Amino acid sequence: DTAVSQTPKYLVTQMGNDKSIKCEQNLGHDTMYWYKQDSKKFLKIMFSYNNKELIINETVPNRFSPKSPDKAHLNLHINSLELGDSAVYFCASSPGTGSNNEQFFGPGTRLTVL
Amino acid sequence: GQSLEQPSEVTAVEGAIVQINCTYQTSGFYGLSWYQQHDGGAPTFLSYNALDGLEETGRFSSFLSRSDSYGYLLLQELQMKDSASYFCASNQAGTALIFGKGTTLSVSS
Repeated sequence: DTAVSQTPKYLVTQMGNDKSIKCEQNLGHDTMYWYKQDSKKFLKIMFSYNNKELIINETVPNRFSPKSPDKAHLNLHINSLELGDSAVYFCASSPGTGSNNEQFFGPGTRLTVL
Repeated sequence: GQSLEQPSEVTAVEGAIVQINCTYQTSGFYGLSWYQQHDGGAPTFLSYNALDGLEETGRFSSFLSRSDSYGYLLLQELQMKDSASYFCASNQAGTALIFGKGTTLSVSS
């Protein structure tokens, strides 16, 4: 029973296209995140949602738009894809502000923009 | 700005002990976490220190000194399967994690 799932696992697309990545968690957590991991393995927070409300929006181009239809889902839509968007995108969830804020990561979506 | 510094690579042999250091400069610091990531896999939580001192979880231990803005992850009785990237991360106010750039640990036989 997968705790945090993402689809698709791989995404290959042309520059200029629009694509979406979906994330679902079945842990009952209140907080969900999107992280971007670049080719040098640097992991950087993009967005954080708590109970469907956006609480963190790092310096991310507005081509990236997260949407949380309910607290178990956090999707990421990317418009006008650029070469530099190629990366692995991880969704994660956590119970929220808590003692250790352990975050549970999905398997990642490897996005390749050609 | 906010930053966490850790060595980029560490090598060791099976059965050895390895310490991965992490120094941080962050605001709104709540605690220091450690995550493990195997190639092609997702980061997985290893440990968390909110208070100064040592936390032990099996072969892995983590240490924090808030006054020195410093922590480390100690891996004992290394096994081949411990070859992975290890990230320290600062737990910020608002729950997001700020990650260091990761340390690649290579364990050889």
